[in-house]
Amino acid sequence: NAGVTQTPKFQVLKTGQSMTLQCAQDMNHNSMYWYRQDPGMGLRLIYYSASEGTTDKGEVPNGYNVSRLNKREFSLRLESAAPSQTSVYFCASSLTSGGTQETQYFGPGTRLLVL
Amino acid sequence: AQSVTQLGSHVSVSEGALVLLRCNYSSSVPPYLFWYVQYPNQGLQLLLKYTTGATLVKGINGFEAEFKKSETSFHLTKPSAHMSDAAEYFCAVRTAPSSGDKLTFGTGTRLAVRP
Repeated sequence: NAGVTQTPKFQVLKTGQSMTLQCAQDMNHNSMYWYRQDPGMGLRLIYYSASEGTTDKGEVPNGYNVSRLNKREFSLRLESAAPSQTSVYFCASSLTSGGTQETQYFGPGTRLLVL
Repeated sequence: AQSVTQLGSHVSVSEGALVLLRCNYSSSVPPYLFWYVQYPNQGLQLLLKYTTGATLVKGINGFEAEFKKSETSFHLTKPSAHMSDAAEYFCAVRTAPSSGDKLTFGTGTRLAVRP
């Protein structure tokens, strides 16, 4: 049981390049999330998926797109990377998203540097 | 809207001393409150959570937190700090009852433990 896995661990991009961050969970969770973490700003929600087939914007969605490929996988795409997207990206999942108090489980993160 | 304020971005204590990390919240609905810990180069891990019921919540690694509605606080404490407690700690509040498990995080408090 690996929990939440993310690939890649590190990535360096040039401005304007595109890339996809991959996330998968093996806990049969319904909800998945993408956050970015920046110094002094905590974690901010980019997008989330309450259940397979649905996605919604979070606090900072501009410049990103997501795909809930199936129940296990939730990818985050940067179409045209900008230096402001240099950050650490975390994927998380939780069992349900129905007004409950389920715990979110986090992946190890992807460190992205945009030059 | 829900929000979280963590007072003190850096806290330093001696090994064996009391740990007190402060968190105040703002919520228009009964809050669900969480403390997460992040060890260096890792994802976030749940320490403890308050949903309903007993206001003193015990978590892993000897940490506990008390929900005080009158003070809108959810401070994290540990009676005796250990070197292994050095990490960054995040307080979080459920964003809104209609948004399932979405969380709003504080900006984090980095705990240093001096030998």
